[in-house]
Amino acid sequence: DIQMTQSPSTLSASVRDRVTITCRASQSISSWLAWYQQKPGKAPKLLIYEASSLEGGVPSRFSGSGSGTEFTLTISSLQPNDFATYYCQQYDTYPLTFGGGTKVQIK
Amino acid sequence: QITLKESGPTLVKPTQTLTLTCTFSGFSLRTSGVGVGWIRQPPGQALEWLALIDWTDTKRYSPSLKSRLTITQDTSKTQVVLTMTNMDPVDTATYFCAHSFVATSFFDFWGQGTLVTVSS
Repeated sequence: DIQMTQSPSTLSASVRDRVTITCRASQSISSWLAWYQQKPGKAPKLLIYEASSLEGGVPSRFSGSGSGTEFTLTISSLQPNDFATYYCQQYDTYPLTFGGGTKVQIK
Repeated sequence: QITLKESGPTLVKPTQTLTLTCTFSGFSLRTSGVGVGWIRQPPGQALEWLALIDWTDTKRYSPSLKSRLTITQDTSKTQVVLTMTNMDPVDTATYFCAHSFVATSFFDFWGQGTLVTVSS
């Protein structure tokens, strides 16, 4: 199985901060990576697919980059609605695997 | 508009079999490239992919749970059913179903999830 490792596991930030979350794959997954946002008690919401393609309706302050084994999700200016947990998911190879999550909390 | 909704028991006893149904609308599992997957999330923990079925009726399973899982579709009723045998308290989780395009296998639409507790 491909292991997905996210860092940090928790991140404290303030509104308008630039935030970067890293996801590393245990082997190359090309650009077959998605990012999700999840709020407590809710289903995950797709933000980005194919490492850098923004899902329709997602604000442009979210961006993704990377390929191979290292990927980043960046929020250019953190908004109050962005405090949540973020997960990466690889879909290069079955079984599909998710990262452990990064909780973005208020500083 | 694509929607999905999970249904099933909220409480099961250890060793029992769990049956969950995903009822969806806005798409068809007869459409080329479409798939429906199941993902679970234990309380306070990360997401875990369980299974996926696609328009060709190809079924894929998490290797660690494959012996306990069965995924089936009922195209006439626009439902996907997941069964998990020999339930254990560690299987306590919120179970989600979600839509994907199999060529890519990320999940663009999700159900609200259903919490299943395993306890005697």
